Amino acid sequence: NAGVTQTPKFQVLKTGQSMTLQCAQDMNHNSMYWYRQDPGMGLRLIYYSASEGTTDKGEVPNGYNVSRLNKREFSLRLESAAPSQTSVYFCASSENWGPDTQYFGPGTRLTVL
Amino acid sequence: AQSVTQPDIHITVSEGASLELRCNYSYGATPYLFWYVQSPGQGLQLLLKYFSGDTLVQGIKGFEAEFKRSQSSFNLRKPSVHWSDAAEYFCAVVAFPGQGNLIFGKGTKLSVKP
Repeated sequence: NAGVTQTPKFQVLKTGQSMTLQCAQDMNHNSMYWYRQDPGMGLRLIYYSASEGTTDKGEVPNGYNVSRLNKREFSLRLESAAPSQTSVYFCASSENWGPDTQYFGPGTRLTVL
Repeated sequence: AQSVTQPDIHITVSEGASLELRCNYSYGATPYLFWYVQSPGQGLQLLLKYFSGDTLVQGIKGFEAEFKRSQSSFNLRKPSVHWSDAAEYFCAVVAFPGQGNLIFGKGTKLSVKP
């Protein structure tokens, strides 16, 4: 039971390049989330998927897109990376949307030059 | 809007000393409250949560937290800190209904002196 997995662990991009961060969970959870973590800012929600087939914007969605591929997988895409997107990205899942425990992946450290 | 404040950015305690990390929230109704811990280079792990009932909740690793509605606080405590407790600690709230997502504080980094 791996929980929440993320790939890649590290990535360096040049400004304007695109990439997709992958996330998968094996807990049969309905809800999935993408956060970014910046020093002194805590975690901020980028997008979430309350249930399979739905996605919604969080606090900081600009410059990102998401796809809920199936119940297990939730990807985050940067179409044209900018230095301001240098951050650590965390995927999380919970059984249901709302007041439920979220389980986090190990994170992806992204640097945009 | 709902918010979470962790007033202490960085705290250093000696091993074996007691610990209290502060958390204040802003929300009109009864909140759903969480404490998460992040070890260096790792994801976040749930320490404990409060939904209702007894206002003193026990968590993993010997941590506890007390919900005080009158002070809008949910402080995390541990009677005796171990070197392995060095990490960053995040308080979070779900303001439900109305908003179903976790709102995090900015975190408190705990250092432990030998």
